Amino acid sequence: SQTIHQWPATLVQPVGSPLSLECTVEGTSNPNLYWYRQAAGRGLQLLFYSVGIGQISSEVPQNLSASRPQDRQFILSSKKLLLSDSGFYLCAWSVRGGTSGIPTTEQYFGPGTRLTVT
Amino acid sequence: TQLLEQSPQFLSIQEGENLTVYCNSSSVFSSLQWYRQEPGEGPVLLVTVVTGGEVKKLKRLTFQFGDARKDSSLHITAAQTGDTGLYLCAGVGNAGNMLTFGGGTRLMVKP
Repeated sequence: SQTIHQWPATLVQPVGSPLSLECTVEGTSNPNLYWYRQAAGRGLQLLFYSVGIGQISSEVPQNLSASRPQDRQFILSSKKLLLSDSGFYLCAWSVRGGTSGIPTTEQYFGPGTRLTVT
Repeated sequence: TQLLEQSPQFLSIQEGENLTVYCNSSSVFSSLQWYRQEPGEGPVLLVTVVTGGEVKKLKRLTFQFGDARKDSSLHITAAQTGDTGLYLCAGVGNAGNMLTFGGGTRLMVKP
């Protein structure tokens, strides 16, 4: 069965410090990978998605970046955190469907990382 | 940009009551998903509706996709305290790999 891991689970960082959040998926190959941010009790904002190693698409211009160094590893980074970067960060994966390359729509979410920038 | 609006944002009811949550957009989606999220956890997919007018039932939960594929509703019959959580709708665009999430409905079912 497939599992998705995120770490750390919680993080408190001062303004201006760097950030690195990691997400790994097990039990599947060549997944689509996504990073979302969620404000308290609200919907999800898509930050980045990736359809393959080294392929990153950004949905929201900001001081965050993403990388996919391995097929099942997705990293969210920042060189200098802002107060507004606080939130709940969720990683998700979806299966690339069949040989056509058209991805399926169901997304499976990790447990999330609670980031507080002070 | 495709937007999804959920209503109500908050709902507090007694156990045993019925409720309906709405998800509306001016855009057409190829399909629509409903997720439920517990505090401190990631959302979990409940159902995907694909065809306009489609109705799916999951025990006490009934999901409907609007005929024009622009809106959806979630109806819960005889709510239980275990139904408490954040309910999110998400629309699938024509590209098929991107989800647009609504703002969520926070449901509290009191005993």
